[in-house]
Amino acid sequence: GAGVSQSPSNKVTEKGKDVELRCDPISGHTALYWYRQSLGQGLEFLIYFQGNSAPDKSGLPSDRFSAERTGGSVSTLTIQRTQQEDSAVYLCASSLGWGGGTYEQYFGPGTRLTVT
Amino acid sequence: AQKITQTQPGMFVQEKEAVTLDCTYDTSDQSYGLFWYKQPSSGEMIFLIYQGSYDEQNATEGRYSLNFQKARKSANLVISASQLGDSAMYFCAMRDLVRTGANSKLTFGKGITLSVRP
Repeated sequence: GAGVSQSPSNKVTEKGKDVELRCDPISGHTALYWYRQSLGQGLEFLIYFQGNSAPDKSGLPSDRFSAERTGGSVSTLTIQRTQQEDSAVYLCASSLGWGGGTYEQYFGPGTRLTVT
Repeated sequence: AQKITQTQPGMFVQEKEAVTLDCTYDTSDQSYGLFWYKQPSSGEMIFLIYQGSYDEQNATEGRYSLNFQKARKSANLVISASQLGDSAMYFCAMRDLVRTGANSKLTFGKGITLSVRP
């Protein structure tokens, strides 16, 4: 079946602009995660969604970052007033389960964001 | 808090030989899972293998096996019969298996670059 998809694959934006990154998880996967991968910080957790429940935003680095998930499926990560330190690869992952369990996470190809 | 340590510099292996990629971890969780992911130059994170902290047997998946030593808090990945396509970045990761919500997130190490020589 189809894997996790993300769009766009690359995004170049000017400092101060807003950007939206999209993630389409594997059908039937209820858990969705956003991570950020940068040279200096490695892979960092950003936000977690379980179905239609309110997200856990504990990993978001600032209030310029927000995310939503529509109908328990597609998710959009929005970064407002982008800064150069936001440049990174943004990875989305989904998994079957929630809470306990051994469900592995399946990752999308990522969106490479460059803020100039 | 969870911590994953991957300290090997870039690794090189001859095609068809076996290679071990090291991973040590630290956690106060009683029940946890350990994962290895492969990230080729294309950027996608590919799940390779999983080991649960209470699993008595070491996990195996094809050419991948996980050498789990709980007392030493290590979870090394062994790749047998290396292939050119194994050249990639490899990440060790862990998660709590009991707590809910964002505690199910993965905590990653810094990764190890593996290059397979023909």
